[in-house]
Amino acid sequence: DSGVTQTPKHLITATGQRVTLRCSPRSGDLSVYWYQQSLDQGLQFLIQYYNGEERAKGNILERFSAQQFPDLHSELNLSSLELGDSALYFCASSVAEQTNTGELFFGEGSRLTVL
Amino acid sequence: GENVEQHPSTLSVQEGDSAVIKCTYSDSASNYFPWYKQELGKGPQLIIDIRSNVGEKKDQRIAVTLNKTAKHFSLHITETQPEDSAVYFCAGVSNYQLIWGAGTKLIIKP
Repeated sequence: DSGVTQTPKHLITATGQRVTLRCSPRSGDLSVYWYQQSLDQGLQFLIQYYNGEERAKGNILERFSAQQFPDLHSELNLSSLELGDSALYFCASSVAEQTNTGELFFGEGSRLTVL
Repeated sequence: GENVEQHPSTLSVQEGDSAVIKCTYSDSASNYFPWYKQELGKGPQLIIDIRSNVGEKKDQRIAVTLNKTAKHFSLHITETQPEDSAVYFCAGVSNYQLIWGAGTKLIIKP
């Protein structure tokens, strides 16, 4: 158990809809990262928050947005969903602001299926 | 920007044999190289990492080597066991962000 909690574990929705994925980081971790993993694909970095502020942005679509709340949990909002958005979405957390300083702890992911 | 290439994409080895996965990177400033293991249905988990001031690091059956001149680093798993079956990801760092390889699916044949 990494200590990172993601909900929901599975989500099935229709094209055009909007969903929200939630992540609770490990206790004490200030950084939260969101990744997308499509079937048999690698990890695509979407966005990082550190202590409530956006720290880095990767290949995140304009239809997607995220935020980190004062209690450090984070939400990833996906709107105007398309079939190609079907994927595993992982949240990871770390103590540090920069990823070259130590381990990322990943949750078990939220599997999104868009029909 | 940084690019990390990982090979092979799939590796099948006999139980008990060794497995080697290789990654190359492009950003000479990259100074941190972690390896993550992703088991089926789970999130990736750090198994070993190496920093640029070290050439090799070992942890039981797992070792990582780094060649800064050639800009490549490798994961070595000896005496492979069924529980080593997973997808392995390497990563480098550019602009303080992890840049991930595409992953290697390791299959351990009984």
